[in-house]
Amino acid sequence: KAGVTQTPRYLIKTRGQQVTLSCSPISGHRSVSWYQQTPGQGLQFLFEYFSETQRNKGNFPGRFSGRQFSNSRSEMNVSTLELGDSALYLCASSIGTPVDTQYFGPGTRLTVL
Amino acid sequence: AQKITQTQPGMFVQEKEAVTLDCTYDTSDPSYGLFWYKQPSSGEMIFLIYQGSYDQQNATEGRYSLNFQKARKSANLVISASQLGDSAMYFCAPSGAGSYQLTFGKGTKLSVIP
Repeated sequence: KAGVTQTPRYLIKTRGQQVTLSCSPISGHRSVSWYQQTPGQGLQFLFEYFSETQRNKGNFPGRFSGRQFSNSRSEMNVSTLELGDSALYLCASSIGTPVDTQYFGPGTRLTVL
Repeated sequence: AQKITQTQPGMFVQEKEAVTLDCTYDTSDPSYGLFWYKQPSSGEMIFLIYQGSYDQQNATEGRYSLNFQKARKSANLVISASQLGDSAMYFCAPSGAGSYQLTFGKGTKLSVIP
């Protein structure tokens, strides 16, 4: 079974631009979660989608948004990029109950200049 | 909110030796899961092992096992027969029954010495 895939793997943007990251979950998984990892803040939860609905959201500004499609693929968008948005963005998929194992993709490394 | 403490920022272990990575957590959820992940320098988070709060026995998965002490809210990861490929960051993360998110500790950087 194919794992979680994320595109692109690397991205360089400038301040003020916007970016869209994509995540394709493991086949049969209906939940997709997004996490941001920075050296200073560590791993932080952004949001989680299940069956096209956002079920849970972390403490991030409204510039961070996401969506999920009917095939469970998910995208996250960051508008008006700031230098502090430079991070590794990880997505994870699971079946969808709270204590299911989440399987992670390879991540997208975003650099904001 | 859940709080996770991994007190060892960095550890060294000799190849083929066993090592224990500490994790304590604070959750009010009566039902939860405790996950350990490995993150090599490539960045991908690799699932290692899971312990459910109601599981009677400590979880084991190959060379990985958990020393789970529910009353102390402690779930230490034991890696037996360390290999060079075990050098990575290790994260402990509980997931509560009432949420759909993992809350990660700051991690422990393990270095295996040949």
